[in-house]
Amino acid sequence: QSVLTQPPSVSGAPGQRVTISCTGSSSNIGAGYDVQWYQQLPETAPRLLIHANTKRPSGVPDRFAGSNSGTSAFLAITGLQVEDEADYYCQCHDTSLNGWVFGGGTKLTV
Amino acid sequence: EEQLVESGGGLVSPGGSLRLSCAASGFSLSRYTMNWVRQPPGKGLEWLASISGSSTNLHYADSVKGRFTISRDNAKNSLYLRLRSLTGADTAVYYCARERAGGGTAWFDPWGQGTLVTVSS
Repeated sequence: QSVLTQPPSVSGAPGQRVTISCTGSSSNIGAGYDVQWYQQLPETAPRLLIHANTKRPSGVPDRFAGSNSGTSAFLAITGLQVEDEADYYCQCHDTSLNGWVFGGGTKLTV
Repeated sequence: EEQLVESGGGLVSPGGSLRLSCAASGFSLSRYTMNWVRQPPGKGLEWLASISGSSTNLHYADSVKGRFTISRDNAKNSLYLRLRSLTGADTAVYYCARERAGGGTAWFDPWGQGTLVTVSS
């Protein structure tokens, strides 16, 4: 059971918009710690997608957008493309565990 | 290009030990806190340990505290993870990742390609 809760799967047709949620608690997201999002394509290592809740590294399309509210964070993907099919993980620091925690991951099917 | 390459994985018997290595290229490891993360087959990511640039601060997940030891050799631009008393639950791909910090926050980038550890008799 992950400290951060994500839906196991989401799906959408090409061109559509999907949102992936990441729910934490008062010891991580709710404590004000920033959330990161990582994309893991099949058989590859995770890749940074969003950091500091909303910031995209260079090379990440603006179709990917992060937001947060209270004890939850969200990753929105607009204009879905087949190549977006991947697993997506949220990450945050947890003050009770004194370490990093990941969500259980969400498999996106396009 | 900034790159991390893990090595040292393989098949190990239950109760055995293993040392994983992570070689950095394209940047100086000494400037960064480094982390180990693992992923069991078909499952999600689990953070294991972190070590500050000067090795002063070490942090471990409760699941591996006392069994795994993180270390680094900045002169060799390398990071290590010693795994002991291994069980089947430790079977996973092990990734090293650089921790970048800025503006009061931090994130993992880049990640290595991972090295597979299989614990089986």
